[in-house]
Amino acid sequence: GDSVTQMEGPVTLSEEAFLTINCTYTATGYPSLFWYVQYPGEGLQLLLKATKADDKGSNKGFEATYRKETTSFHLEKGSVQVSDSAVYFCALTENTGNQFYFGTGTSLTVIP
Amino acid sequence: DAGVTQSPTHLIKTRGQQVTLRCSPKSGHDTVSWYQQALGQGPQFIFQYYEEEERQRGNFPDRFSGHQFPNYSSELNVNALLLGDSALYLCASSPMDFGARKTQYFGPGTRLTVL
Repeated sequence: GDSVTQMEGPVTLSEEAFLTINCTYTATGYPSLFWYVQYPGEGLQLLLKATKADDKGSNKGFEATYRKETTSFHLEKGSVQVSDSAVYFCALTENTGNQFYFGTGTSLTVIP
Repeated sequence: DAGVTQSPTHLIKTRGQQVTLRCSPKSGHDTVSWYQQALGQGPQFIFQYYEEEERQRGNFPDRFSGHQFPNYSSELNVNALLLGDSALYLCASSPMDFGARKTQYFGPGTRLTVL
């Protein structure tokens, strides 16, 4: 069945450091891929998405490229800020868009 | 433009009781999905409603049921509550535009505690 695997956290970085959070997936068809962010005590906010192979999603300095050959969708940011501290979830949905499959989340803490 | 709204924000119940959670989708959205997020875990899909019918269901028992109203709002009902039902319950809505349908937008969630 469909599934998402994310790198284990927590991740602690200094401000302005480079961020990578790994995400790989298993899917039967051609899924769309997403990154969501969850701040403490809040729901999930869509960060970026990619709907087909080689697409790059980007938003607020974050980027992720849909790599079909490696079934990956790694999240990157060149220079993190304290305000980026949150939990990040990788997710996929198949063509129907009905059910989303989420990873377990990666907690990021950025220290000044 | 209001986003997805959920009520109540927090809820405390005891084992065996029943609970109803409510969700209003974003304007222009007609599809509502419900997820359960246990502490430290990713959201797990409960079910999805479209045109007032359950379109798809995840691996949850029949104690979990739902409803969608003509104005697209939705309710999640959980009967015979167990301690393990304590979680953040998230509602997500999707747009009517079929091309954009795959993106789900989440509400702030309802935190349910079962004692």
